[in-house]
Amino acid sequence: EIVLTQSPGTLSLSPGERATLSCRASQNIRSVYLSWYQHKVGQAPRLLIYGASSRATGIPDRFSGSGSGTDFTLTISRLEPEDFAVYYCLQNDDSSRMYPFGQGTKLEIK
Amino acid sequence: EVQLVESGGGLLHPGGSLRLSCKASEFTFSSYSMTWVRQAPGKGLEWVSYISSSSSIIAYADSVKGRFTISRDNAEDSLYLQMNSLRDEDTAVYYCARWELLARAFDIWGQGTMVTVSS
Repeated sequence: EIVLTQSPGTLSLSPGERATLSCRASQNIRSVYLSWYQHKVGQAPRLLIYGASSRATGIPDRFSGSGSGTDFTLTISRLEPEDFAVYYCLQNDDSSRMYPFGQGTKLEIK
Repeated sequence: EVQLVESGGGLLHPGGSLRLSCKASEFTFSSYSMTWVRQAPGKGLEWVSYISSSSSIIAYADSVKGRFTISRDNAEDSLYLQMNSLRDEDTAVYYCARWELLARAFDIWGQGTMVTVSS
């Protein structure tokens, strides 16, 4: 079973700053299987990035994803007030139909 | 508007049963695989169960295997989660989500329904 480890657990930044969130897999995964989600309290999670680097519909271009193998990154180029939330990576395993999430990174206002 | 709306949450005692529903609208429900994801208080997102568009493929997280049953009624555009032998640790907000095959991601989510298991 593949385990996703996100770091840092909490990231404290100010609006306008750049955020870099990491997601590390316990073994190599195909980039096409890696997605990122934003989750705010009381709201539905929102798909940001799929296939490691493709933005979902309606997602601003300040959000970008990159990486391959075991190391993946979500970057928010210039933080807006509405970007402060919890972010999760997810990998899907077609062979076992398991969908483990990373434990999440909380992005908070400094 | 493409939408998923969950219902059926509530408060119950350990060992109890509950059935959650998820109603889809404005998309061809029968063409999509679906899933349930939960978030316990103070915890992260946890995938619970998956069902393919025709119900031919079903999968569960180890934490719910043997206790939860996922199903769907494509004629009613509805997804279900039958939850039996509930435990305190099943307390969570339960979300249904659509699996977009081309993106290999959960692209549409409902607002969630709260399940509280407490003695």
